[in-house]
Amino acid sequence: EAQVTQNPRYLITVTGKKLTVTCSQNMNHEYMSWYRQDPGLGLRQIYYSMNVEVTDKGDVPEGYKVSRKEKRNFPLILESPSPNQTSLYFCASSLTSGGRTVDNEQFFGPGTRLTVL
Amino acid sequence: RKEVEQDPGPFNVPEGATVAFNCTYSNSASQSFFWYRQDCRKEPKLLMSVYSSGNEDGRFTAQLNRASQYISLLIRDSKLSDSATYLCVVNSASGGSNYKLTFGKGTLLTVNP
Repeated sequence: EAQVTQNPRYLITVTGKKLTVTCSQNMNHEYMSWYRQDPGLGLRQIYYSMNVEVTDKGDVPEGYKVSRKEKRNFPLILESPSPNQTSLYFCASSLTSGGRTVDNEQFFGPGTRLTVL
Repeated sequence: RKEVEQDPGPFNVPEGATVAFNCTYSNSASQSFFWYRQDCRKEPKLLMSVYSSGNEDGRFTAQLNRASQYISLLIRDSKLSDSATYLCVVNSASGGSNYKLTFGKGTLLTVNP
């Protein structure tokens, strides 16, 4: 089944304790992205990757890191989480980042609900 | 103007009603347009892509007006299962290295029996 998976789905942690949220897709998509969703603010892009070894900042990259060593994986790293990073996080992927509209459709993972105390 | 702006809602309509959502975008170079649906606490899922000629999928009709930088979604004969948040999404890419999907904040629709 074509899908985007994220782990963990739920995480409660404490300030300053490094964590990684994994994201994996099995559709051979070039483009992957991380978003956070907060009430009243909608979905905001954190980082994105056009392809392997190519990553760039989105709208709210502060406090986050990413890597894209393999096409299928795009982990999100919080080196020193803080309470303002408490949020619902989504990973997404699409076939490409340009060209036909149909190729830009983003498929989302199920989300990771993170609470930082 | 905000990059992508939607009706704030919420919309409460009875079953069978027709409801329309509007969305404006600020970047005239935007190339791809979508409507996504998001159920409470779930991931967004593509409802429809929006093409210049307008497109229809069953009870759903999407329209694009590039001159006015405006997108719409019409739902006819609404069902209880249409209750969700509807997100307007715009690809604001101006080149292969500048791809960006921008999401509107969404409009909550509740269809009542």
